[in-house]
Amino acid sequence: QKEVEQNSGPLSVPEGAIASLNCTYSDRGSQSFFWYRQYSGKSPELIMFIYSNGDKEDGRFTAQLNKASQYVSLLIRDSQPSDSATYLCAVRNNFNKFYFGSGTKLNVKP
Amino acid sequence: ETGVTQTPRHLVMGMTNKKSLKCEQHLGHNAMYWYKQSAKKPLELMFVYSLEERVENNSVPSRFSPECPNSSHLFLHLHTLQPEDSALYLCASSQDFGVPGYTFGSGTRLTVV
Repeated sequence: QKEVEQNSGPLSVPEGAIASLNCTYSDRGSQSFFWYRQYSGKSPELIMFIYSNGDKEDGRFTAQLNKASQYVSLLIRDSQPSDSATYLCAVRNNFNKFYFGSGTKLNVKP
Repeated sequence: ETGVTQTPRHLVMGMTNKKSLKCEQHLGHNAMYWYKQSAKKPLELMFVYSLEERVENNSVPSRFSPECPNSSHLFLHLHTLQPEDSALYLCASSQDFGVPGYTFGSGTRLTVV
């Protein structure tokens, strides 16, 4: 079983729609959850992190965490073509170990 | 310069060569990391240094040898690599080991021929 699982995609959404990216994790003791965006040929950049159950909003991005169900999601409102990238979910467990998912490729069509 | 800088950006090497990857961070961070990113696979943590001491080594073959001479510099020495070692090698740093929010460098695209 992988520590962090993501659907590889591609997820295609029209411009202006809401993109929903999901991630599940196996270690129930995980404490911190991160979303990174990686453009093709570039390095990952941190866009959101969340520690507590519920929603956390930052501009067009909302991270949602449900520890009981062991999933974390990222919603992107009013999706733009510039949001087209691979989104990596990362989880830190209570031993300070980080695990990354394989990423979900998002295509936002004009 | 600011952030995390990696050199070279691209490297092609033969299986008998010896080369080194360099990483430098200008953020005042205390922890530095080497990650390997292969196509369609998760980022794989290779080495972690905290305050210049290696704190984690995730079963990496000995043909990869890290060096951290100070908290701002990290090297990855390569020798007798295999074609399957071709990948993007990413350096990252964080304020302290285990503190969330890595800053990644641009990576070195390594091709072993």
